[in-house]
Amino acid sequence: QVQLQESGPGLVKPSQTLSLMCNVSGGSISSGSDYWSWIRQPAGKALEWIGRMYTNGRTNYNPSLKSRVTISVDTSKNQFSLNLSSVTAADTAVYYCARGSTRIDPWGQGTLVTVSS
Amino acid sequence: QSALTQPASVSGSPGQSITISCTGTSSDVGGYYSVSWYQQHPGKAPKIMIYDVSYRPSGVSNRFSGSKSGNTASLTISGLQAEDEADYYCSSFTTSSTLVFGGGTKLTVL
Repeated sequence: QVQLQESGPGLVKPSQTLSLMCNVSGGSISSGSDYWSWIRQPAGKALEWIGRMYTNGRTNYNPSLKSRVTISVDTSKNQFSLNLSSVTAADTAVYYCARGSTRIDPWGQGTLVTVSS
Repeated sequence: QSALTQPASVSGSPGQSITISCTGTSSDVGGYYSVSWYQQHPGKAPKIMIYDVSYRPSGVSNRFSGSKSGNTASLTISGLQAEDEADYYCSSFTTSSTLVFGGGTKLTVL
């Protein structure tokens, strides 16, 4: 059974780059035909799709974040990552990694990232 | 891309049925059979309840059902139970090969 776990700094300064990793266990990130996604949720607000990556490395990003987002994979560590540059307070949210593209399941437990000086 | 439109809140009594709507456009909900619904309890990660408009993942109660007509998808929960109280989000694939979520609906079981 595939499980996902996010990791990374809980506090990032404005204008810096937010970097998170998602560790995948219970299955290989490079096998099959899976997509791997990042989604975020500001406190008390709705889910926002950030982007996804296919096992061949192809990516799609939310147009509103596209200029600042990079999703990549490290198959040797069975992990995929999120980099979000030039962050502001508006990027403060719980960040989730997950498997899937339109059928998103399972999800990681989520990690809170606060942008503050 | 604009968020899909959901009612902010719905409520129902135990045993009753409720329906949550999710309205988009022909570029998302209306154009694809790739609508999913997620249940989220406070402080927890979302859980998929319906995918591809009307399919239930293994382990999800058959009290949950989904449908679509034109640009609007719907989630129906029958035989409401206290544990159904949660936030519900719809999502849809789009013509830009992206995913868009709805604004979320808070379900209150009276």
